[in-house]
Amino acid sequence: DQQVKQNSPSLSVQEGRISILNCDYTNSMFDYFLWYKKYPAEGPTFLISISSIKDKNEDGRFTVFLNKSAKHLSLHIVPSQPGDSAVYFCAALPGTGANNLFFGTGTRLTVIP
Amino acid sequence: NAGVTQTPKFRVLKTGQSMTLLCAQDMNHEYMYWYRQDPGMGLRLIHYSVGEGTTAKGEVPDGYNVSRLKKQNFLLGLESAAPSQTSVYFCASSRLEYEQYFGPGTRLTVT
Repeated sequence: DQQVKQNSPSLSVQEGRISILNCDYTNSMFDYFLWYKKYPAEGPTFLISISSIKDKNEDGRFTVFLNKSAKHLSLHIVPSQPGDSAVYFCAALPGTGANNLFFGTGTRLTVIP
Repeated sequence: NAGVTQTPKFRVLKTGQSMTLLCAQDMNHEYMYWYRQDPGMGLRLIHYSVGEGTTAKGEVPDGYNVSRLKKQNFLLGLESAAPSQTSVYFCASSRLEYEQYFGPGTRLTVT
């Protein structure tokens, strides 16, 4: 049973506009969330994270929002650039000391020049 | 600083054959992990290690064994490969349980 869900397999956005990638989770024990970016034939690379005690974390063009009551998080990229085209994975960690990252199925973002 | 490296990058096995995937990291990380990624699915944890000499089962451990004899290396073994083990395998390491750093992956095909 998929505990972290990314319901949009793909997203296309024009260069310069905002990209919004969504992620839902079912396990209320998750308390740390991460976004990874993956290019073809490469491993995922860490992008940004957020603890459950926060509702927003920003790093340059990337902002992650967490809505705990809705068990939903989103990644905003603004402005989007062609180099942002990749597969984005949402991941979650359950509680302190846990080691098992639960990944979503990924969303393929295409930024159109 | 090479980060996380994986050997080999590609491999084709026949059903029943065995092989070992090697993961090495040069960041002095305590934690190491093996994941598999299948089409339409996220990465799933096979086994992990919280330090030299320790291993633990993840979400999908059946058919795999691991060893962590040295802090910088984490080996994944398939004793008798099955077509269901056709996948892309990723190794990762981390200083704590957060923010894992991934290797480039090994594409394994079992015929």
